Amino acid sequence: NAGVTQTPEFQVLKTGQSMTLRCAQDMNHEYMSWYRQDPGMGLRLIHYSVGAGITDQGEVPNGYNVSRSTTEDFPLRLLSAAPSQTSVYFCASSPPGAYEQYFGPGTRLTVT
Amino acid sequence: GNSVTQMEGPVTLSEEAFLTINCTYTATGYPSLFWYVQYPGEGLQLLLKATKADDKGSNKGFEATYRKETTSFHLEKGSVQVSDSAVYFCALSDRSNNDMRFGAGTRLTVKP
Repeated sequence: NAGVTQTPEFQVLKTGQSMTLRCAQDMNHEYMSWYRQDPGMGLRLIHYSVGAGITDQGEVPNGYNVSRSTTEDFPLRLLSAAPSQTSVYFCASSPPGAYEQYFGPGTRLTVT
Repeated sequence: GNSVTQMEGPVTLSEEAFLTINCTYTATGYPSLFWYVQYPGEGLQLLLKATKADDKGSNKGFEATYRKETTSFHLEKGSVQVSDSAVYFCALSDRSNNDMRFGAGTRLTVKP
């Protein structure tokens, strides 16, 4: 199993550009989530999904969209990038009935 | 709402020293508690967990006990190694509302 994979590893955007961060898992996990990590603030939940076709907002959803058309994939879309979205983004998944999450390696995003 | 508070870092220790990283939580339900570790440039890895009061999680010489009376989940290790240098995150998960919260993280540096 590859576990949770994320692409790209690094990305630089200009203000106003849009892009999609990709996340995939091959463990057949129903629950998937996106976090952003900022210095001194830990991880904050952006959006999550409890299964294909179901998504919901987390703590900091503004400026981001998600969709979940398959169990494996959970892309995160930045609609119009802003410097405040400069961060490290982590995708995670969790198997049914478990509380712990398994994290991808992260995408380091800089918005100039 | 639910929240996690960790001791502020950074923490610098000599090899073979005793480690304690304090973590306290606030939760309305009955959360599961976790410690995650993040090595430089990587995603978070689950270090240990406890799912109910008085449970002790342990892994790689690290331990933490779920103390409901003091709402704490302090991380301890009797003898740290240089390879333990990383950022440690305390987290709680209240899956009744799909809510996972992280502390701000504590950076540990172990010197030879």
